[in-house]
Amino acid sequence: AQKVTQAQTEISVVEKEDVTLDCVYETRDTTYYLFWYKQPPSGELVFLIRRNSFDEQNEISGRYSWNFQKSTSSFNFTITASQVVDSAVYFCALSEALFNQAGTALIFGKGTTLSVSS
Amino acid sequence: DAGVTQSPTHLIKTRGQQVTLRCSPKSGHDTVSWYQQALGQGPQFIFQYYEEEERQRGNFPDRFSGHQFPNYSSELNVNALLLGDSALYLCASSLVIRTADTQYFGPGTRLTVL
Repeated sequence: AQKVTQAQTEISVVEKEDVTLDCVYETRDTTYYLFWYKQPPSGELVFLIRRNSFDEQNEISGRYSWNFQKSTSSFNFTITASQVVDSAVYFCALSEALFNQAGTALIFGKGTTLSVSS
Repeated sequence: DAGVTQSPTHLIKTRGQQVTLRCSPKSGHDTVSWYQQALGQGPQFIFQYYEEEERQRGNFPDRFSGHQFPNYSSELNVNALLLGDSALYLCASSLVIRTADTQYFGPGTRLTVL
């Protein structure tokens, strides 16, 4: 069965510190997609990145970077030089590519609450 | 480019009542998914609609039902409300149902059941 584990419930850092959010997933499929979403206090989930299982290249977008390792079933997210505006709940999610049937449900982890203080 | 919109923003109901939540997808999207997010938890998949049909369903009872209209907008209906139905209900839209296209979320409807 599909499962996403975010072992870190809460992380607190001081501005300008680097922080890594861990995500470990389980799936029996060889084709799947991984996502990260940010949920600020307003409640709306904001899409950050989508990765397919065939692309293990790390990605960098500004202060954000992602490390995808199939060997350890991990898709970790690093924020460099964190800022107060980064304070939010971050969710990792998994979706299998169900080519033989319709439907692409997202399976979410429980989230990691990041607090960045000034 | 309009994003996903949901209405109402907040709703208070009592046990046993019925509720309808509404969602309009992002412009150009044809697939709508609904999620329930209890306090302190990750969103849980309820169901997904495409071409006005329910295509996939999560582990939710039949009290939860939905509909998709020809303009791709969608409704989520919950009958016989229970206290445990209190949650943030999120709607997400996407395109091309079969390739796990990115789902974009609306601001949610916060439902409180008293």
